Amino acid sequence: AQSVSQHNHHVILSEAASLELGCNYSYGGTVNLFWYVQYPGQHLQLLLKYFSGDPLVKGIKGFEAEFIKSKFSFNLRKPSVQWSDTAEYFCAVNGRDTGRRALTFGSGTRLQVQP
Amino acid sequence: GAVVSQHPSRVICKSGTSVKIECRSLDFQATTMFWYRQFPKQSLMLMATSNEGSKATYEQGVEKDKFLINHASLTLSTLTVTSAHPEDSSFYICSARGILSGHSYEQYFGPGTRLTVT
Repeated sequence: AQSVSQHNHHVILSEAASLELGCNYSYGGTVNLFWYVQYPGQHLQLLLKYFSGDPLVKGIKGFEAEFIKSKFSFNLRKPSVQWSDTAEYFCAVNGRDTGRRALTFGSGTRLQVQP
Repeated sequence: GAVVSQHPSRVICKSGTSVKIECRSLDFQATTMFWYRQFPKQSLMLMATSNEGSKATYEQGVEKDKFLINHASLTLSTLTVTSAHPEDSSFYICSARGILSGHSYEQYFGPGTRLTVT
């Protein structure tokens, strides 16, 4: 079975602060990794994804994430957050060799950016 | 980009009635659609996976007779909540994965349907 844990449930930052949200997964095989964002009242949007290759992945809106296989981690980062980044962030994993196509989501991190 | 729509966006129904939620892939063919449920301030929990033309695969603990899923075409899946009860009140989200520029691992999410059972 695969699982995802997000350590930070609620993060409050001031504008221009740097962001790092933790994500660890549990799965013994090859994985696809995703970060999704859900702005208030809106649907889930893909921020970035990792399938293979360069473990440092750049996504939209200045976000990036680094896959560290030895740590089973896929932390999300942004050097300078904006008020508009206030949202819920979900890490998700899919075990590539399971034949299971559905995503397993973490519990989410609510980011609040104060102006 | 790939767009997935859901209808209705909000629905209020009385206890004991049935509600149908539609999920459509607007600009691609979805070979697989997923139905998730999201409780307030919680993550998405997979309910079932449906492949076009075959029976849905339900997650453990999800009643297949209560949550009827039909994936009749490559662009439409429906979730029917039968004999709804107040505890079925939740946010239901579908996602679709399909034949789209070779990226078969990506899922595209609908905007969700908020169901309130009174």
